[in-house]
Amino acid sequence: DAGVTQSPTHLIKTRGQQVTLRCSPISGHKSVSWYQQVLGQGPQFIFQYYEKEERGRGNFPDRFSARQFPNYSSELNVNALLLGDSALYLCASSFRLLNEQFFGPGTRLTVL
Amino acid sequence: GESVGLHLPTLSVQEGDNSIINCAYSNSASDYFIWYKQESGKGPQFIIDIRSNMDKRQGQRVTVLLNKTVKHLSLQIAATQPGDSAVYFCAEAQGASYDKVIFGPGTSLSVIP
Repeated sequence: DAGVTQSPTHLIKTRGQQVTLRCSPISGHKSVSWYQQVLGQGPQFIFQYYEKEERGRGNFPDRFSARQFPNYSSELNVNALLLGDSALYLCASSFRLLNEQFFGPGTRLTVL
Repeated sequence: GESVGLHLPTLSVQEGDNSIINCAYSNSASDYFIWYKQESGKGPQFIIDIRSNMDKRQGQRVTVLLNKTVKHLSLQIAATQPGDSAVYFCAEAQGASYDKVIFGPGTSLSVIP
């Protein structure tokens, strides 16, 4: 069975640009969460979606937005990129909100 | 603000010995905790979880202990193996539906062959 997949694996952008990251959950999983992991730190919660609705939001500016599609895949959008947005962006899926989360390998975003 | 943190940033153990990784949390209302393992270049991997109505839970070679009185979690790994070398995170699920997972800063475990 395929695990959580994320695309692209690596991305380089410049300040002020916009980026869209994609996540496909494990088949049958209805919840997707997004995390930002800066080098040397633990993942920081950004969003959680369940059944296509936003169910949780972390302390991130409005430049960060996300959505979940009918097939439960998800996109994370970041506008007006800053140097500090450089990080590994992780997606995790679970069957329900209270279930064990399975993480994807992440997308490494570098902002120059 | 409320946060989850770890006592030790790095830990080196001899292969075959037991490892203990500690974690302190500050939100006394938290009632669900998870331990994750993250290997280099990979996303975190679920190890074990525990709810606040328990003080101990065992898995395969791992045990999580919860002390709600002092708001402390620990992860014990028995007979540590080289494959256990990784960064370990404790995490705390918050929100009415546990919809927000707060990670601690992590402990790097290095197993000496």
